[in-house]
Amino acid sequence: AQTVTQSQPEMSVQEAETVTLSCTYDTSESDYYLFWYKQPPSRQMILVIRQEAYKQQNATENRFSVNFQKAAKSFSLKISDSQLGDAAMYFCAGGSGAGSYQLTFGKGTKLSVIP
Amino acid sequence: DTAVSQTPKYLVTQMGNDKSIKCEQNLGHDTMYWYKQDSKKFLKIMFSYNNKELIINETVPNRFSPKSPDKAHLNLHINSLELGDSAVYFCASSYRQELSYEQYFGPGTRLTVT
Repeated sequence: AQTVTQSQPEMSVQEAETVTLSCTYDTSESDYYLFWYKQPPSRQMILVIRQEAYKQQNATENRFSVNFQKAAKSFSLKISDSQLGDAAMYFCAGGSGAGSYQLTFGKGTKLSVIP
Repeated sequence: DTAVSQTPKYLVTQMGNDKSIKCEQNLGHDTMYWYKQDSKKFLKIMFSYNNKELIINETVPNRFSPKSPDKAHLNLHINSLELGDSAVYFCASSYRQELSYEQYFGPGTRLTVT
C-alpha cells in the first residue's frame, strides 16, 4: 500500500515566477510510478507529469519539472514562469503494480497565481 | 473526440433513491476505475475493474456496485442514496499492459443528495 502526503494545503505565486509544490510518499514496492495531476475549476483531472521510480533522471514537461529524491521519498513539482492558467488544485499521486494499479492521491495543494 | 466520458455531469436526487452514473472510454484501455472526491477535494479509489476482475476498496458501502457490460464501459449503481454520498464521482481508465499506471479521467459527475 502507498501513502501520499502533501503538506501545503495552499500556495500562491506571482505570475512569471517559480513555485515548488511538495509531496512525500511511502511505499514498500520497488516498482512504482508517481504523478502530478492538475484540477482547474472546470473539475477535469489533467495529468501534468509522470515519473518512473526506476529512472534517476527527473521528468520534465515544458514549464513543469519534478525533483524526485527516491531515498527521501520526495517528489516535488516545480512550475516555472507561472501563468494565470496554472491556478488549480494540484494532486500528487502514486501507483504500483501490486494488485490493482490503483492510484493513491495526496490531499492536494491549491495554487493561486497572482497577476 | 472525448477519451473518457461520464453521464450525467450533474445529478440531484433525494435520499433513498437509486441512481446510476455511466462511464465510457474510447481509448482501448482494459482497466477502469471509479473515484470519489469529497467536499474537501480528497480523491479516493472506490473500484478498479480489469477483465472481469473487480477490486473493491473495503471502505465502500455495498450500496455501491460497479457494472461493466464490456471493456469500454463501467457504470456505477448506487442504491438507497444517503446525504453522505454527495460528492463528485470520477471515472478513469488505463491500459494495464503499459505498466505506467497512467490514468485518464472523465469530467466527473457531481452528485447531490437532498
